[in-house]
Amino acid sequence: GENVEQHPSTLSVQEGDSAVIKCTYSDSASNYFPWYKQELGKRPQLIIDIRSNVGEKKDQRIAVTLNKTAKHFSLHITETQPEDSAVYFCAASGWNDMRFGAGTRLTVKP
Amino acid sequence: NAGVTQTPKFRILKIGQSMTLQCTQDMNHNYMYWYRQDPGMGLKLIYYSVGAGITDKGEVPNGYNVSRSTTEDFPLRLELAAPSQTSVYFCASTSHGGGVGNTEAFFGQGTRLTVV
Repeated sequence: GENVEQHPSTLSVQEGDSAVIKCTYSDSASNYFPWYKQELGKRPQLIIDIRSNVGEKKDQRIAVTLNKTAKHFSLHITETQPEDSAVYFCAASGWNDMRFGAGTRLTVKP
Repeated sequence: NAGVTQTPKFRILKIGQSMTLQCTQDMNHNYMYWYRQDPGMGLKLIYYSVGAGITDKGEVPNGYNVSRSTTEDFPLRLELAAPSQTSVYFCASTSHGGGVGNTEAFFGQGTRLTVV
């Protein structure tokens, strides 16, 4: 099955700085790569996703890039704010299942 | 729409007891998933289903069983509960877009299970 690795496990940045989280996947058949944000005690919620026929996607301060050849994708958050503090998960999905990375705990210091 | 609803929200089980975690969705999604999330860890796939009558194992299926008799419901059964099954369980559903592939997963609010 698919194996998703995510780095770093923790990330601390100053408010206004950028944050980058990286993921790799193993199954070349995976074609859908979402990112989820999970606040403490809450359910994960989608923040951005990308399909394998697209190299980059942006939504305001959030962007995701995908390198299919290298099987890695990254989340970029610019101009970070304290409310961006949360755990972020990447995921990779082929036709059926959806596997998640281990998560990155992002802390944005005011 | 209520989205994905899980019950119960909290449960304490004794070792060896059994229970069923309920999950229902009202979005007519064909794909449904069960994940477990241990403290400070990621989401591990237990079982998934691509439609009524079809289920398949994920990464960590041992100790669990599922069934999918309707599109809406995807219960997770724990037989002979063990302390290692202490975790938060999330159910999720997606609308598989045919030739497009998978889509956004909508999660239930989670079930916090403690086995003592």
